[in-house]
Amino acid sequence: DTGVSQDPRHKITKRGQNVTFRCDPISEHNRLYWYRQTLGQGPEFLTYFQNEAQLEKSRLLSDRFSAERPKGSFSTLEIQRTEQGDSAMYLCASSLGTEINGYTFGSGTRLTVV
Amino acid sequence: GQQLNQSPQSMFIQEGEDVSMNCTSSSIFNTWLWYKQDPGEGPVLLIALYKAGELTSNGRLTAQFGITRKDSFLNISASIPSDVGIYFCAGQLLRSNTGKLIFGQGTTLQVKP
Repeated sequence: DTGVSQDPRHKITKRGQNVTFRCDPISEHNRLYWYRQTLGQGPEFLTYFQNEAQLEKSRLLSDRFSAERPKGSFSTLEIQRTEQGDSAMYLCASSLGTEINGYTFGSGTRLTVV
Repeated sequence: GQQLNQSPQSMFIQEGEDVSMNCTSSSIFNTWLWYKQDPGEGPVLLIALYKAGELTSNGRLTAQFGITRKDSFLNISASIPSDVGIYFCAGQLLRSNTGKLIFGQGTTLQVKP
């Protein structure tokens, strides 16, 4: 296993369109996290899963955002009716339990809404 | 929400110089982490700190978990050109075990050969 994998790496979409991103965590990791990073800022927490259960959601995650992890393996993050303010890097990370030391980020998906 | 104040915002140094950056917060953390991020990539973990007062090294990097658990610093000794990048501190709040991390705003490091 080579780490956390995210797809696509880049996405350009027109305002109002829906987009979906995928994250494949490290295989034995039971926790999966989504973060958003805008230019010049640190990543901001969006949501996390323990196995297939979504246990916490940030208030940043508006009702246009939905995340799933149906079988406790890969996860998807969907943004409906995209807005220009959604343009950002979306980062996925995974960890084993509370093993912060094994907390690994993917390379991210860069979303540009035009 | 909780914030980490990271400083300096940017540094431009000569190769071979030592570098120091720090993070402070009004909240108490049970874990402090330092990451490096290259353009277009995700953050890569450099050092993890788990106990107040802990001092940990990773090669030329040294980081400390502040005694008050509200701050941390990262030192880089004898900088080299490949140290260029953005450095982030991150922490997990004291009463949290969710793995949710709060990040600083980053320190951009440029090294002149």
